[in-house]
Amino acid sequence: GENVEQHPSTLSVQEGDSAVIKCTYSDSASNYFPWYKQELGKGPQLIIDIRSNVGEKKDQRIAVTLNKTAKHFSLHITETQPEDSAVYFCAASVQGAQKLVFGQGTRLTINP
Amino acid sequence: EAGVAQSPRYKIIEKRQSVAFWCNPISGHATLYWYQQILGQGPKLLIQFQNNGVVDDSQLPKDRFSAERLKGVDSTLKIQPAKLEDSAVYLCASSFGGAGNTQYFGPGTRLTVL
Repeated sequence: GENVEQHPSTLSVQEGDSAVIKCTYSDSASNYFPWYKQELGKGPQLIIDIRSNVGEKKDQRIAVTLNKTAKHFSLHITETQPEDSAVYFCAASVQGAQKLVFGQGTRLTINP
Repeated sequence: EAGVAQSPRYKIIEKRQSVAFWCNPISGHATLYWYQQILGQGPKLLIQFQNNGVVDDSQLPKDRFSAERLKGVDSTLKIQPAKLEDSAVYLCASSFGGAGNTQYFGPGTRLTVL
């Protein structure tokens, strides 16, 4: 089955700097890769996703890149703000399997 | 649009007791998921429903966990009897369709088994 590895487990950056979180997946048939943000005491919230027919997607300060050959994808947050502090999860889904497999999460802290 | 509702938000029980969680998905969403999230880990799918039917329950510990989705809307997840290792947050999510559709999560139920 699919396995998703996420790094780093914790990340601390200065406000205004960029943050990058990386994930690798094992199943080459995976074709949908969402990123979720989870704040304390809340459920995960989708922030951006990418499908296997696209190499990059951007939404304001957030971007995701996908390298199908290497089977890895990354989340990029630019101009970080204190409200970006949260736990971020990547996930992968195989068409037909109809389920998401999540990474272990990255705790991002933005220092003012 | 109302989000996914879950109750209770918190539950503390003794081991070997039983517990039930309730989920009301977003209106019109055919697919409903239950995840278990152990502290410090990502959510792990327990069971997925498409309308009334079970799509995937391969990671549900069926000797103690059960779930149902009556009339293709609300769902309940039950644990009987609970073990210490069941302490986790139980998340319910829903989506309009299946694979590749955005999953919307509820706030979760934090279960502590003593």
